[in-house]
Amino acid sequence: GAVVSQHPSWVICKSGTSVKIECRSLDFQATTMFWYRQFPKQSLMLMATSNEGSKATYEQGVEKDKFLINHASLTLSTLTVTSAHPEDSSFYICSARAGSSNQPQHFGDGTRLSIL
Amino acid sequence: EDQVTQSPEALRLQEGESSSLNCSYTVSGLRGLFWYRQDPGKGPEFLFTLYSAGEEKEKERLKATLTKKESFLHITAPKPEDSATYLCAVQAPETSGSRLTFGEGTQLTVNP
Repeated sequence: GAVVSQHPSWVICKSGTSVKIECRSLDFQATTMFWYRQFPKQSLMLMATSNEGSKATYEQGVEKDKFLINHASLTLSTLTVTSAHPEDSSFYICSARAGSSNQPQHFGDGTRLSIL
Repeated sequence: EDQVTQSPEALRLQEGESSSLNCSYTVSGLRGLFWYRQDPGKGPEFLFTLYSAGEEKEKERLKATLTKKESFLHITAPKPEDSATYLCAVQAPETSGSRLTFGEGTQLTVNP
């Protein structure tokens, strides 16, 4: 149980392109979804928190116009990196949480984004 | 500000050599402490949640314990497939969005 699917797993694109990443909870309803960024040999940095049907809450320093988050249903959230540049290259990971706030987050397998 | 410090940064063990990983934390009102395992190029895999001091959880060769200041992940008779990065995270109170604050992780290598 508690499976989170993230797609695509790997994307390479040219600078200036917008890239959409999907995160789906396959066997549970996710009241809250989270988006993280992870640099090599570093831990996870929270980018934003989203609740179904509400606007995402972004962490300090994260540009909301650059990283668009949509959480349209209890099983799907998307992250769109708009006009991506090489400095946006990173490993992006989503997580989903069901029920009350002290339940564990379950993570997808991440998306490796490379901007040329 | 919530802080999580994991030690050691890296640990090499021989197969069967038991050891412990440490997670020290500072948080204003712990709602939960979480242990995850992360393999290279993958997302973290949930292992345990601990909610109060004195609590213990076990799963196969792993046992997690919690005090008011730290948590330990004990690995008994590890196997090469236990090699991974182990992440500890604490959950802030509800007013802080219940976000997780992660430590930097301990990279465990178990040699056959």
